[in-house]
Amino acid sequence: GQNIDQPTEMTATEGAIVQINCTYQTSGFNGLFWYQQHAGEAPTFLSYNVLDGLEEKGRFSSFLSRSKGYSYLLLKELQMKDSASYLCAVRGFNDYKLSFGAGTTVTVRA
Amino acid sequence: EAGVTQFPSHSVIEKGQTVTLRCDPISGHDNLYWYRRVMGKEIKFLLHFVKESKQDESGMPNNRFLAERTGGTYSTLKVQPAELEDSGVYFCASSQIPQGSRFFGPGTRLTVT
Repeated sequence: GQNIDQPTEMTATEGAIVQINCTYQTSGFNGLFWYQQHAGEAPTFLSYNVLDGLEEKGRFSSFLSRSKGYSYLLLKELQMKDSASYLCAVRGFNDYKLSFGAGTTVTVRA
Repeated sequence: EAGVTQFPSHSVIEKGQTVTLRCDPISGHDNLYWYRRVMGKEIKFLLHFVKESKQDESGMPNNRFLAERTGGTYSTLKVQPAELEDSGVYFCASSQIPQGSRFFGPGTRLTVT
């Protein structure tokens, strides 16, 4: 099985940077995903890491360390529309199901 | 390109009744997944279809849940009879290949009273 932990809530100011950490303990690993979910909407794919290192996509970056069972999502130049829940999900090695963390609610303040 | 759609968006039923949720994946996506989020908990996997076949149904909670994908296009998830603990948001997702990114639908919020 998978055990995935991420903080419940984070608050930051518009224009600032926020880093959302995710730690996982897995029986197998075949990639880590980050999703953004606004209230009442579908989770939207943000990033995917399967090798160690940093993946950058515009204002969003995601980092993975497989040996530490650790990932983070970095949100730069925060905008009000970035207020949402951010979900960390791990894919197992021999199956294709995703195991999700409980999500981190990020609130961006003016 | 249309995304994953789900119907209905909300459903309120009484304990013991039956409800059927529908998911239309992105056209051409052979892989379809059902997930569920119970209040206050994380999103949990229910099952995975490849075309019309059940690839993995290890997450289905019990035999009150029945998922089908006749013809390999849309899928239905039936709960019969519904219990209070079945309340939550049921998400459907699809992908072209199993290793690919999952595209999620907006979910169906089920409330059992």
